Amino acid sequence: DAEITQSPRHKITETGRQVTLACHQTWNHNNMFWYRQDLGHGLRLIHYSYGVHDTNKGEVSDGYSVSRSNTEDLPLTLESAASSQTSVYFCASRADQRSGNTIYFGEGSWLTVV
Amino acid sequence: SQQGEEDPQALSIQEGENATMNCSYKTSINNLQWYRQNSGRGLVHLILIRSNEREKHSGRLRVTLDTSKKSSSLLITASRAADTASYFCATYFGNEKLTFGTGTRLTIIP
Repeated sequence: DAEITQSPRHKITETGRQVTLACHQTWNHNNMFWYRQDLGHGLRLIHYSYGVHDTNKGEVSDGYSVSRSNTEDLPLTLESAASSQTSVYFCASRADQRSGNTIYFGEGSWLTVV
Repeated sequence: SQQGEEDPQALSIQEGENATMNCSYKTSINNLQWYRQNSGRGLVHLILIRSNEREKHSGRLRVTLDTSKKSSSLLITASRAADTASYFCATYFGNEKLTFGTGTRLTIIP
């Protein structure tokens, strides 16, 4: 079955280190998204991509970057991790921009910055 | 800012009772979606209601949409312990980006 997987599922890192969270989907979806989830804020959009070599900033993009070199993967990089980036990160994908399409979520990556 | 806002933030009911959650949003929409998130897991799509629909059913789920009030409700009938989860409404805001509310945490007491 097609799926969307995230790795690592849990990571502890130190302030100032670069961290990359991987996201891989096998649906051949054009659209991919990264969200962070924090208590009291719900899910907030970090970056998104509508296709290969396309990336866009979301609501809370400062300190994060993404790249889309193929359809299947959208890695999220924290350039210099900060304690404020301790959160749960969710990758998601969707077939295309038609708003009726369902978004499918990965299982999340728990990141702690100490 | 969040496009959708759920109410209540938390809800505890006895197994077998019905659970109702509400969502209010700010701008015009094409459709509204509801998602469920079990503890420690990703979100799972439950149901989508389009702006020209007023009510939609899926199994024990009933969703209503009132575009004049910019609000939606999710009713879960005959609740089960497995329904314990957080529930989020989501709408598209701006350039086809799905925006989520802060969620309702539902606890079903056996």
